Amino acid sequence: AQSVSQHNHHVILSEAASLELGCNYSYGGTVNLFWYVQYPGQHLQLLLKYFSGDPLVKGIKGFEAEFIKSKFSFNLRKPSVQWSDTAEYFCAVTPPRGGYQKVTFGTGTKLQVIP
Amino acid sequence: DGGITQSPKYLFRKEGQNVTLSCEQNLNHDAMYWYRQDPGQGLRLIYYSQIVNDFQKGDIAEGYSVSREKKESFPLTVTSAQKNPTAFYLCASSTGTDNQPQHFGDGTRLSIL
Repeated sequence: AQSVSQHNHHVILSEAASLELGCNYSYGGTVNLFWYVQYPGQHLQLLLKYFSGDPLVKGIKGFEAEFIKSKFSFNLRKPSVQWSDTAEYFCAVTPPRGGYQKVTFGTGTKLQVIP
Repeated sequence: DGGITQSPKYLFRKEGQNVTLSCEQNLNHDAMYWYRQDPGQGLRLIYYSQIVNDFQKGDIAEGYSVSREKKESFPLTVTSAQKNPTAFYLCASSTGTDNQPQHFGDGTRLSIL
């Protein structure tokens, strides 16, 4: 069964600091990878996704993620965080093809950015 | 604008009662999902439906039931058999085809009185 691990449960950063949130998955084949963000009081939104091709994926609001197949990782990065990035971030994985795609979510990382 | 509407936003239930959470989408998506979100546990899949009149159990279906009589609607009933129903419930939908992400509603927070 596929699983997703997010080791950082709560991260506190000052504005302008660099961000890297870890995401590791376990699955025996190729996967699709997603990062979702949940701002306070809002619904989950897609931040970025990787299906194939360039392993460095650019998303909205200056976020990017790098897929490293050998490490089964898909870490989320941002060079300089802002207070408005305070949110909970979820990594998710699905197998690449075959009808219904069961999405497996990580446990989430709460990011708090201090002005 | 298209989207997913969950209602109500907050719901209170007495012990022993069944309660139904509404989820409606106007995205013309075939697939719909219900998740439960608990602190520190991420999102766990309760039920999903790939098409009208068909649905499948997810990882934590015990104590829950669903129906999918219309493409737009996927209501979730939390039954009295669910021993720990207090949680945040999220509904999502997708086209159901490969590589497509899910779209989420704003959620319903259920509390037991």
